[in-house]
Amino acid sequence: DIVMTQSPDSLAVSLGERATINCKSSQSVLYSSNNKNYLAWYQQKPGQPPKLLIYWASTRESGVPDRFSASGSGTDFTLTISSLQAEDVAVYYCQQYSGNPPYTFGQGTKLEIK
Amino acid sequence: QLQLQESGPGLVKPSETLSLTCTVSGDSISSSGYFWGWIRQSPGRGLEWIGSTHYSGNSKYNPSLQSRVTISVDTSKNQVSLKLTSVTAADTAVYYCARERPVNGQRLAAFWGQGTLVTVSS
Repeated sequence: DIVMTQSPDSLAVSLGERATINCKSSQSVLYSSNNKNYLAWYQQKPGQPPKLLIYWASTRESGVPDRFSASGSGTDFTLTISSLQAEDVAVYYCQQYSGNPPYTFGQGTKLEIK
Repeated sequence: QLQLQESGPGLVKPSETLSLTCTVSGDSISSSGYFWGWIRQSPGRGLEWIGSTHYSGNSKYNPSLQSRVTISVDTSKNQVSLKLTSVTAADTAVYYCARERPVNGQRLAAFWGQGTLVTVSS
């Protein structure tokens, strides 16, 4: 199985400041055939299911604010919130959806307001 | 507006079968190109992809659960079902129904239901 490891486990950022979350996969999730990284980011607010934010490592899902951006390739990925808003308090997960199952998730990063 | 509503027993005894149903509204299982599946979440195991299927077949399962899990669809009722046999306490989790978007040969959980808590205990 591909193991997804996120860092840090928790993060406290002031309103309006930048938040950065990292995700590392134990194997590359980049397909050379189409040059796509099979990596997604989800946001889970308390009491709610996860919500898809980003797929193909950097493509925002429809309706996701542009303060959310993501980058990376191969095994190392980053989710950035450029200017933290109060409604961004949540747990963020990365997931790889490449190859054969299982499609594995990171352990999550809890984002709070400082 | 798409809605996925999970339902089923909240308490299952060890060694018995966990059975859940997801009722889909706002989309037709049999006419869309999406996959329909289940993902669970527990404090100890985090988020765990269980499996998914298309109404025409093409099911995929988590190898760690494959011997115990079946995901099927009932197009007449527009429902997706999950059966997990021989459950133990390790199967205690919130179970989410998900609509998966086909993406270049793979599948991506783009929309999730609210989830239902299942506890395995005698």
